[in-house]
Amino acid sequence: GEEVAQTPKHLVRGEGQKAKLYCAPIKGHSYVFWYQQVLKNEFKFLISFQNENVFDETGMPKERFSAKCLPNSPCSLEIQATKLEDSAVYFCASSQGELGGNQPQHFGDGTRLSIL
Amino acid sequence: AQKVTQAQTEISVVEKEDVTLDCVYETRDTTYYLFWYKQPPSGELVFLIRRNSFDEQNEISGRYSWNFQKSTSSFNFTITASQVVDSAVYFCALRTTGTASKLTFGTGTRLQVTL
Repeated sequence: GEEVAQTPKHLVRGEGQKAKLYCAPIKGHSYVFWYQQVLKNEFKFLISFQNENVFDETGMPKERFSAKCLPNSPCSLEIQATKLEDSAVYFCASSQGELGGNQPQHFGDGTRLSIL
Repeated sequence: AQKVTQAQTEISVVEKEDVTLDCVYETRDTTYYLFWYKQPPSGELVFLIRRNSFDEQNEISGRYSWNFQKSTSSFNFTITASQVVDSAVYFCALRTTGTASKLTFGTGTRLQVTL
């Protein structure tokens, strides 16, 4: 599609439950990025993919967070055993061109995750 | 390590005033890219502009203009004749070739334009 599509828009989970977020990148874009926005201002990079391959996962809290980008499927970000501090808006972005190039990242509308 | 500083947390202006949003960045890379994004109250992130480190030409797009100065590591954003629809949080971001293309964001400047 022409836009990055993220689902669901809002997800509510009880502490300790699993949460799964989805992202369909713009058609033709090979690179996908996940960011976490907390407190309405701070963005934290989580992970990037080049097609279905993880490129940079230095921002991922690996003990509970995992992500995949499989062929012909939306990318996903899964959080096991959620904690209150996971409450945030999770943005997915996609871009084309070479990794490290100057192509802008185009963002989805985000998924607001609320942990109760 | 990369860093982006937006020292102005919040700015309030009256419609039709000009306003400049400051952005200062730090990087050791010689090749890098700078971006501005707008986040309106509805929450989405809208790409506004990209600038390469080797292109210091300033840019104007309608009421928006950007001033890139390598000597001061700044990439400031000016809105001329502001409008209520400009009310949003504006983020400056940096991307270097050595960091797998992830964006490093500033903490944003909230712009409130009132009538």
